[in-house]
Amino acid sequence: NAGVTQTPKFQVLKTGQSMTLQCAQDMNHNSMYWYRQDPGMGLRLIYYSASEGTTDKGEVPNGYNVSRLNKREFSLRLESAAPSQTSVYFCASSEDRGNQPQHFGDGTRLSIL
Amino acid sequence: DQQVKQNSPSLSVQEGRISILNCDYTNSMFDYFLWYKKYPAEGPTFLISISSIKDKNEDGRFTVFLNKSAKHLSLHIVPSQPGDSAVYFCAASHAGAQKLVFGQGTRLTINP
Repeated sequence: NAGVTQTPKFQVLKTGQSMTLQCAQDMNHNSMYWYRQDPGMGLRLIYYSASEGTTDKGEVPNGYNVSRLNKREFSLRLESAAPSQTSVYFCASSEDRGNQPQHFGDGTRLSIL
Repeated sequence: DQQVKQNSPSLSVQEGRISILNCDYTNSMFDYFLWYKKYPAEGPTFLISISSIKDKNEDGRFTVFLNKSAKHLSLHIVPSQPGDSAVYFCAASHAGAQKLVFGQGTRLTINP
């Protein structure tokens, strides 16, 4: 009964380093999402994938890339980390028929020094 | 441009009383609204939703009210319990968008 699994849970990077955050879901959902949560800002959408093979930009895509590896997995990559990317990152998935709630992983806490 | 706003960063309520969390939105295209609950070090958990064709949806102790003319929704928790202490996010989307827009969150504390 895993739902949405994110790895790693914590990471500290130096400015300029690269990193890939992993996300996998076992609910056979078509749609997957990456958000960041910052104090006082709620959750902001970085990228999403409506179905396997497609990705689209969200509200704050700059500095990030994504890959929809298959139906289960959706990864987020920081090519050259910056202190402004210090945040908590959440992955989510949902069915794509009509209005359906998104189901979230427990997040990755990322600090960029 | 904050399309979904939760103007109260925090709310403190006595156990057993009613908790009312509020949310305002600006985009009249939104037709689906949700509330999520978040505990520390965990991801948001879906709580309850409402479609714009309704003005009320109830699930146990939780009721969401939607006032489309005022572009306002609220979450009522009755009676409030200590386990309800968490951050609550409202979110909205419109048909076909598949994207949720979140408010900033309200930290609810239930006092014994």
